[in-house]
Amino acid sequence: GAVVSQHPSRVICKSGTSVKIECRSLDFQATTMFWYRQFPKQSLMLMATSNEGSKATYEQGVEKDKFLINHASLTLSTLTVTSAHPEDSSFYICSARAQGGGYTFGSGTRLTVV
Amino acid sequence: SQQGEEDPQALSIQEGENATMNCSYKTSINNLQWYRQNSGRGLVHLILIRSNEREKHSGRLRVTLDTSKKSSSLLITASRAADTASYFCATDDWGNAGNMLTFGGGTRLMVKP
Repeated sequence: GAVVSQHPSRVICKSGTSVKIECRSLDFQATTMFWYRQFPKQSLMLMATSNEGSKATYEQGVEKDKFLINHASLTLSTLTVTSAHPEDSSFYICSARAQGGGYTFGSGTRLTVV
Repeated sequence: SQQGEEDPQALSIQEGENATMNCSYKTSINNLQWYRQNSGRGLVHLILIRSNEREKHSGRLRVTLDTSKKSSSLLITASRAADTASYFCATDDWGNAGNMLTFGGGTRLMVKP
């Protein structure tokens, strides 16, 4: 079955620094990747959708300059949280989808900004 | 944005009992999917029901879909302690950048041994 690898699983960073999260599709070509954010005991909120080779489409209220998304290849998308602050602490999950295929989720990244 | 509500938000049952979770949504959909999430982990796809289907089974799971009421239900029969997790419905519909999943609020299920 389709596998998506997300790294790191946990990261602690200092306020003001940037953190990069990687999402890789291991055995399929992901034409579209999605990035979600999840606060404790809440649902997943879509942050942005990225199609390979195109700029990401951000959902309303998501700062594109703060959450930089790159989808340079069919197997890799990255989310960079720039100048992180404690309020950015959250669980970030990626999802990848092949053309006409289903959605496969990564295992998530727990970001803690101290 | 969130598609709709799930109820109950939390459910606690004894092992062996059935668990029913409900999901409502707002827009037209291509299909509706149910996912499971163990605490602090990613999502596992459970079952997909298309907009032209009314009921679907997979093992101990039974999903119904009522497009006239824009609602779906997930029934887990003969629950086990290992079923303890959060369950989310998600609608597959057309967004700003193509097809996307929009999640409901989730139901936290606890199955007591």
